[in-house]
This record gives sequence, C-alpha cells and structure tokens, in this order.
Amino acid sequence: AQTVTQSQPEMSVQEAETVTLSCTYDTSESNYYLFWYKQPPSRQMILVIRQEAYKQQNATENRFSVNFQKAAKSFSLKISDSQLGDTAMYFCAFRRMYNNNDMRFGAGTRLTVKP
Amino acid sequence: SQTIHQWPATLVQPVGSPLSLECTVEGTSNPNLYWYRQAAGRGLQLLFYSVGIGQISSEVPQNLSASRPQDRQFILSSKKLLLSDSGFYLCAWTVLTGTGTEAFFGQGTRLTVV
Repeated sequence: AQTVTQSQPEMSVQEAETVTLSCTYDTSESNYYLFWYKQPPSRQMILVIRQEAYKQQNATENRFSVNFQKAAKSFSLKISDSQLGDTAMYFCAFRRMYNNNDMRFGAGTRLTVKP
Repeated sequence: SQTIHQWPATLVQPVGSPLSLECTVEGTSNPNLYWYRQAAGRGLQLLFYSVGIGQISSEVPQNLSASRPQDRQFILSSKKLLLSDSGFYLCAWTVLTGTGTEAFFGQGTRLTVV
C-alpha cells in the first residue's frame, strides 16, 4: 500500500523568506504522480504543483518548486519569497500512474507566513 | 470552463438524523468523482469514488453511502448520522490532461453532528 508522510505538523516563515515543506512516501511502483495541494482558510483545495515520477527535472511553478528525490522517496516543496496569502494547510499527495481512483494524502502541514 | 459545486458549506445535524450532501460538476462529461473526508488535523481519507452513473466503489466500511444518479452528480448520504461522522467532506473530480491527471476539489462541507 502507498503511504504519504508529512513530518511537520506546523511551520512558520517570515514574509519574503523561503520555506521548505517535507514529504516522504512509500511505494513499490516505479511510475506515479506526486502533488502538493494548498488548502487556505476557505478550505477549498488548490493544486500547487505536480511532478511525474518518470521526469528527472524538478517541477516549478513561479515561487513554488519541488525537490524530487526518487531513490529516497522524498518530495519536498520550496516556497520562495513567501507571501501572507501562502498561509494555508499544505498536503502532499501520491497517485499511482495507472489508477485514477486512489489519491493518497499526507496529514498536512500548517504553514503560517508572518508579516 | 470546468467547475465543481458542493453544498451546503456548513451543516449541523443531530445524531440519528439523515444526511445528503450534493456535488455537481460542470464543463466536462463522464468524470471520475470522489468523496473525501478530512478529520481535524489529519489528511484526506478517500471514502467513495465513481467512474460512471450508478458505479460506486467504497474504500472504507462506514455509516455513509454514495450515489451517482446522473453523470455529473455525486451524492453522499447517511440514514442515521453518528457523532463520528463529523468532519470536513470534500467532493473532487479528476481529468486527464496532457501531462497526467489533475484533481479539482469542491469548496467542502463542514459537518457537525451534535
């Protein structure tokens, strides 16, 4: 079974600084997808970034980038130039490539950006 | 454009009462639909998923059931709510994109069973 672990329940960062959220996962699959979702106080889930396991290049989306270490089964999210609007719960998620129906989520990390 | 609607946003129900949460999707056809539950301080747990009308798969045994009467409608129900059913419920759907699969979530329903 696939599991996703986020070992940091809460983190905080000063506005404009950089923060890294950790995520590890366990799977025997070789091809899969990894995601980071943001859940602001409104509680709606928003896709932040996606990584395909078969791609060696780390995904980036503006201020968001990942450090994907396939051998270590690690998928961390780096937020650069943190903004107050980045305050939210962040969920790491895993989905098998050939199973569209089962997305596993970590427990989440609550990030607070301080002014 | 594709959108997902989920209602109500909040709900307070007494123990033993029935439940019906509705989710509808616009801008797509034959989507895969999901119901997740998020307990306080915890991640998301997949409850049900559906690949088509009338096709429901349950991930965990529980007091809840799901139905898909129409292609873009997904309903989460219970005949008698338990205190343990309290939580935040999210409806989601997935679409196959050029680079993989992307999931879209509704705004969620905060259910409090009292």
